[in-house]
Amino acid sequence: SAVISQKPSRDICQRGTSLTIQCQVDSQVTMMFWYRQQPGQSLTLIATANQGSEATYESGFVIDKFPISRPNLTFSTLTVSNMSPEDSSIYLCSVPSGTGWSPEAFFGQGTRLTVV
Amino acid sequence: DQQVKQNSPSLSVQEGRISILNCDYTNSMFDYFLWYKKYPAEGPTFLISISSIKDKNEDGRFTVFLNKSAKHLSLHIVPSQPGDSAVYFCAASEMKTSYDKVIFGPGTSLSVIP
Repeated sequence: SAVISQKPSRDICQRGTSLTIQCQVDSQVTMMFWYRQQPGQSLTLIATANQGSEATYESGFVIDKFPISRPNLTFSTLTVSNMSPEDSSIYLCSVPSGTGWSPEAFFGQGTRLTVV
Repeated sequence: DQQVKQNSPSLSVQEGRISILNCDYTNSMFDYFLWYKKYPAEGPTFLISISSIKDKNEDGRFTVFLNKSAKHLSLHIVPSQPGDSAVYFCAASEMKTSYDKVIFGPGTSLSVIP
């Protein structure tokens, strides 16, 4: 199993500012995923971060709003830019449970973001 | 357009009884289904899965049933324990040779009453 550490665990931010969330995995993984869970909603995939290439964003999510870095096989960051109250959500990083892609995944504990 | 639905936001069950959590999906291309459990302030953890070639998969107290014709699956927990109190997410995917994303339902909050 993989151990995933996410920082910060929670934050309260002013609108118009940006927050960078860090995700550290205890083993090397090819793919890392970033999810958002808005209040009362399901987990929605924001983007897939592959080391050495640009992140792949899902429909409705753009790089300018959610820039992602993936400098190596154990680390990734997600930035929530120019925040508004609608960005208040739990943000989670995730890695597949297998060496390649598999639908089963490990998740970090999440970052609870509140924008005021 | 919700492709994976969990129509019961919450469920309360007495300890020792059976918990049944339901999930419906609309995309007939889904062929792999998963359940995750999430405690407060923690990330989801994988619980059990089932491929569309099966109609039942069992792991200890947890059993998942799949009815492809009805596009319905359910998670049975027997016997239910207070430690099972958590939010349960149903998820679905298409198993291709290349990556495809997993679609999650909104979750059902289970409370097991001692």
